Amino acid sequence: SYVLTQPPSVSVAPGQTARITCGGNNIENKSVHWYQQKPGQAPVLVVYDDSDRPSGIPERFSGSNSGNTATLTISRVEAGDEADYYCQVWDSSSDLVVFGGGTKLTVL
Amino acid sequence: QLQLQESGPGLVKPSETLSLTCTVSGGSISSSSYYWGWIRQPPGKGLEWIGSIYYSGSTYYNPSLKSRVTISVDTSKNQFSLKLSSVTAADTAVYYCARHGPGGVATPGPGFDYWGQGTLVTVSS
Repeated sequence: SYVLTQPPSVSVAPGQTARITCGGNNIENKSVHWYQQKPGQAPVLVVYDDSDRPSGIPERFSGSNSGNTATLTISRVEAGDEADYYCQVWDSSSDLVVFGGGTKLTVL
Repeated sequence: QLQLQESGPGLVKPSETLSLTCTVSGGSISSSSYYWGWIRQPPGKGLEWIGSIYYSGSTYYNPSLKSRVTISVDTSKNQFSLKLSSVTAADTAVYYCARHGPGGVATPGPGFDYWGQGTLVTVSS
């Protein structure tokens, strides 16, 4: 089955740019969605279809997808961005939803 | 504003069946182009998709759970439900219901755009 690989952790100083990667075989051929999950809360969709933002999500959150890697970029990181981030795709070859293992973003 | 709310027992005995219901308010579960899904998260671990259903009853299941899972929909009550049989301690998790983004009738749309708050189900004797 399709596997999505994320780094367990990423650290960034406030005001800097955080990049969280999601690796998968030819992932550029799939639509990638990203979620933010804070402790004790349900996940929130922050980017869908590689690079679109739902209403209410700050422009600081952006996404890209090329080759074997999709990337969630958070610009001008704030303390409130500290959370777990998950990537997700629909694997059409197996008709199933796949989540990455998640990345813990720490704001230093 | 669409809202989803999970309900069901918080404690289930090993070998028994876990049953949860998701009640949708602020919108119709029969809206075309939307699938509805169940996702779970064991304590301290990542997200795992369980399965998704269309209002017509069309379903997709995670192959790793398929033999134990049944997802059904009750359009008259604007609800969909999850049954997971023969549970073990490994099924202890927070269970979320969620809506897929708008998509086609044949397959779920992109991402999960609305989520319930989640409910913790513990499997223990």
